[in-house]
Amino acid sequence: TQLLEQSPQFLSIQEGENLTVYCNSSSVFSSLQWYRQEPGEGPVLLVTVVTGGEVKKLKRLTFQFGDARKDSSLHITAAQPGDTGLYLCAGEDNNNDMRFGAGTRLTVKP
Amino acid sequence: NAGVTQTPKFQVLKTGQSMTLQCAQDMNHEYMSWYRQDPGMGLRLIHYSVGAGITDQGEVPNGYNVSRSTTEDFPLRLLSAAPSQTSVYFCASSYSLNVGYTFGSGTRLTVV
Repeated sequence: TQLLEQSPQFLSIQEGENLTVYCNSSSVFSSLQWYRQEPGEGPVLLVTVVTGGEVKKLKRLTFQFGDARKDSSLHITAAQPGDTGLYLCAGEDNNNDMRFGAGTRLTVKP
Repeated sequence: NAGVTQTPKFQVLKTGQSMTLQCAQDMNHEYMSWYRQDPGMGLRLIHYSVGAGITDQGEVPNGYNVSRSTTEDFPLRLLSAAPSQTSVYFCASSYSLNVGYTFGSGTRLTVV
């Protein structure tokens, strides 16, 4: 059982569409990160959120940390083929270990 | 600035062989970790270090050893490789807690 559950597991959309992916847990996290990973490469950090209710924007990407610090969402506006990749969420547990979800694999078709 | 460098990028081992996966970072980061990535299971923590001379076990430590003699290097040793250790291994580093990691590009290991 994953400590962090990500949904959906797979998502295929057309260029220009909007999408939201989710990261949920029954545990409270002191911080939560989102990463994007491309084939053959390591994950690349997109954002870190630390405050319950926090919203951060990175160009067309909007990240939200739940009020109770147990969940998070990533919203992409007007998706582009360059957004294709594996999106991973990760949180620091009570032992300060970074735990990862299994990821959402996004494909944006031109 | 090279960031986190992992070698080799690919490796094939026979069951029972030993090897060391190398990881080096040039960012003076105190925190370093090793993860394995398997399909459908995300990244799982193997071992981590909060500074030179200090290491601890993560979620899946069995069959692996680590040491941290310098801030820069954090090698991962497989003592007797098993097919269950076939995976992609990532090394990551960070300057602090709660700030996210910088990852290397990974080592794809196959044990036959």
